[in-house]
Amino acid sequence: DQQVKQNSPSLSVQEGRISILNCDYTNSMFDYFLWYKKYPAEGPTFLISISSIKDKNEDGRFTVFLNKSAKHLSLHIVPSQPGDSAVYFCAASASNDYKLSFGAGTTVTVRA
Amino acid sequence: EAQVTQNPRYLITVTGKKLTVTCSQNMNHEYMSWYRQDPGLGLRQIYYSMNVEVTDKGDVPEGYKVSRKEKRNFPLILESPSPNQTSLYFCASSSSLYSAGATNYGYTFGSGTRLTVV
Repeated sequence: DQQVKQNSPSLSVQEGRISILNCDYTNSMFDYFLWYKKYPAEGPTFLISISSIKDKNEDGRFTVFLNKSAKHLSLHIVPSQPGDSAVYFCAASASNDYKLSFGAGTTVTVRA
Repeated sequence: EAQVTQNPRYLITVTGKKLTVTCSQNMNHEYMSWYRQDPGLGLRQIYYSMNVEVTDKGDVPEGYKVSRKEKRNFPLILESPSPNQTSLYFCASSSSLYSAGATNYGYTFGSGTRLTVV
């Protein structure tokens, strides 16, 4: 039973526009959330994270929003660039636990 | 360079022929883990290790074994591979537990091993 869900398998966006990726979780013990980016033939790499004590974290073009009451987080990429075309995984962890639980991933394609 | 190294990158094998996928990290991380990636299912944890000689099952451990005799190495062993173990495998490591307020928690992943069992 997946505790982290990404219900959109794919997203296509025009270069320069905003990409919004969504993620839902079911485990109320999760209090730290991450996004990983994965290119073909490479391992996932860390993109951005957010602790449950915050509702927003921004890093350059990437912003993650957390809505704890809805158990929902989203990743905004503004503006989208061709190099952002990749698979994005949402992940979650609980305090004092090593384990990261991952969603199924969303494939983002940025069109020129 | 800090990294997690997996070998081989690609492997085709036949049903029942034992194989080992190696994983090594040079960051002195305590925690190591194996994941498999399958379409529509994302990354699912197979086994993990909290430290040397300490291992435990993840979400999908059936058909796999691991060992942690040294801190840097965490091999994944398939004693009798079957076609349903055809997948993309990732090894990952981490230095610490997540705790509230931490800003640098996360995994470092290897580049992956694509395994095909025929």
